Amino acid sequence: AQTVTQSQPEMSVQEAETVTLSCTYDTSESDYYLFWYKQPPSRQMILVIRQEAYKQQNATENRFSVNFQKAAKSFSLKISDSQLGDAAMYFCAYRGQGAQKLVFGQGTRLTINP
Amino acid sequence: DAGVIQSPRHEVTEMGQEVTLRCKPISGHNSLFWYRQTMMRGLELLIYFNNNVPIDDSGMPEDRFSAKMPNASFSTLKIQPSEPRDSAVYFCASSLRGGRYEQYFGPGTRLTVT
Repeated sequence: AQTVTQSQPEMSVQEAETVTLSCTYDTSESDYYLFWYKQPPSRQMILVIRQEAYKQQNATENRFSVNFQKAAKSFSLKISDSQLGDAAMYFCAYRGQGAQKLVFGQGTRLTINP
Repeated sequence: DAGVIQSPRHEVTEMGQEVTLRCKPISGHNSLFWYRQTMMRGLELLIYFNNNVPIDDSGMPEDRFSAKMPNASFSTLKIQPSEPRDSAVYFCASSLRGGRYEQYFGPGTRLTVT
């Protein structure tokens, strides 16, 4: 079974600085999708960024980018120019090519210090 | 367009009572998912449907839980009888069918069983 591990229960960063959240996963599949979701205090789950395993290029979405290392099974999220609105729980998630269920990590609580 | 709609947003009930959670997926989406979020277990898939048909219910904790999808625009998750350990946030999500499509989450229902 696939597993997703987020080893940082909590992280904090100064406003306008850069922070990187870590995620590793375990799978025997070669094709899959990886996601980062944000959950602010409103508890709404919001998709931040996605990565297809067959793509070598790292995905970027404005201030958010990933470092996808397929061989190492690592998928970290970098947030540049951190803003107060980035404060939230961040979940890394895995989805197999043929599967539809998302497998989530335990989450990282990100605090932004003004 | 309206996102995934869930009702109620909050539910407080006494142990032994029946609880019904409701979900309206995004129009045109043909896959629907029920997740549960707790501090101890994180986010876990309970069941999902494709074209109104249950595909994987291996995450349903026990027979007290049941889910239905009578049509493409409505699904229910029922707990009967409820127990305090069922207290959690229950999310409904929908997507187009296929692993590469993102899942859109509803706002969740916070269930408290006393």
